Amino acid sequence: QVTLKESGPVLVKPTETLTLTCTVSGFSLSTAGMGVSWIRQPPGKALEWLAHIFSGDEKSYSTSLKTRLTISKDTSKSQVVLTMTNVDPVDTATYYCARVSRSGYYPFYYYFGMDVWGQGTTVTVSS
Amino acid sequence: QSVLTQPPSVSGAPGQRVTISCTGNSSNIGEGHDVQWYQQLPGTAPKLLIFGNSNRPSGVPDRFSASKSDTSASLAITGLQAEDEADYYCLSFGIRLSVWVFGGGTKLTVL
Repeated sequence: QVTLKESGPVLVKPTETLTLTCTVSGFSLSTAGMGVSWIRQPPGKALEWLAHIFSGDEKSYSTSLKTRLTISKDTSKSQVVLTMTNVDPVDTATYYCARVSRSGYYPFYYYFGMDVWGQGTTVTVSS
Repeated sequence: QSVLTQPPSVSGAPGQRVTISCTGNSSNIGEGHDVQWYQQLPGTAPKLLIFGNSNRPSGVPDRFSASKSDTSASLAITGLQAEDEADYYCLSFGIRLSVWVFGGGTKLTVL
């Protein structure tokens, strides 16, 4: 059974750095074509894709947030970590991680979608 | 404001057919990039409905179908049921840029 679980602080102060961890089970982060995405959703608002990382350590970031985000993985711990610097109250949201898989080769990948999601973790940015 | 535009809301009666549009541009859908669709029931994490423009993962009923044309895509739901009431999101991306983007979401109300 494939599961993902997000963890991190519930409350963060403005200008601080937010660190979120996604712990996966049921699949390996080193399997070719496997990856993990981070997505967030402010209260009452739409989903926003943030970043993803794939088995070969290929990383991609949201254009609007790329200067503040860093994604990394620890295959031995089955964890993917997302850090967001200089947080602001507008970063208050539920943060999700999700498994994503693909086939093919650069640049002609075929993506199978984000098929398994974590339950999400709610982060509030406030002083 | 997302680069993928969806209607804020749609509605339909049980048993009816509804469609949800997702309009992009020449940089995403129009450049031939695939579209995915997600369903988010109230208070839950999103669920993958469609990948690769029109493919349903195992377990997704065939009442859900999707298509893509030029710079837009659409999701169709036939035989509308009360449990279909949810928010629906499209997603597309640029292969070279590897940057993904969600649409603004559409709230489906079953009357």
